[in-house]
Amino acid sequence: DADVTQTPRNRITKTGKRIMLECSQTKGHDRMYWYRQDPGLGLRLIYYSFDVKDINKGEISDGYSVSRQAQAKFSLSLESAIPNQTALYFCATSDRTGGDLGYTFGSGTRLTVV
Amino acid sequence: GQQLNQSPQSMFIQEGEDVSMNCTSSSIFNTWLWYKQDPGEGPVLLIALYKAGELTSNGRLTAQFGITRKDSFLNISASIPSDVGIYFCAGTNTGNQFYFGTGTSLTVIP
Repeated sequence: DADVTQTPRNRITKTGKRIMLECSQTKGHDRMYWYRQDPGLGLRLIYYSFDVKDINKGEISDGYSVSRQAQAKFSLSLESAIPNQTALYFCATSDRTGGDLGYTFGSGTRLTVV
Repeated sequence: GQQLNQSPQSMFIQEGEDVSMNCTSSSIFNTWLWYKQDPGEGPVLLIALYKAGELTSNGRLTAQFGITRKDSFLNISASIPSDVGIYFCAGTNTGNQFYFGTGTSLTVIP
């Protein structure tokens, strides 16, 4: 099994619908992150969490919300999806010790909003 | 947010050629990382750099932490088809949050 698992891998949804992307990890890491990837823009941080009771906004949090249900689970919600939220979404985890060993990424969720 | 620019944006090279790419930041970082993203997958860490001027190798890959701490470089020697992918730089000062570059897409022509 993958260390960081994202579900679904692909999703097409209609404008205005609520959608949740899920992430679970077996790394035992405290820190979890949601990024979005767009061509030419790289990876941009949406939200991050350093433990179950900690939630922080990233660079582009508008239109998104998150829930850290457990140390191993971090979900991203789009309350009312819009077409410019069409992107590749990545969940990542990192170790608490400074985090400078980098992230472990999931395989991504490709979301299309029509 | 922090702005990290990578160049070139894309590269098309013949198998066996060497590759050079770089990443520049608008601010100083104390840690630089280089990731590779294969098609359909998440980025995977290649090399981590922790000190200005540091030169670190991982097989055919060599990365350098720029002296100014605002840039980093990645070289790939003797490219092979499996080097295809998108290469991202990332920087941090706190270890709490990494800022990612815009990516360099590499295509290797057999």
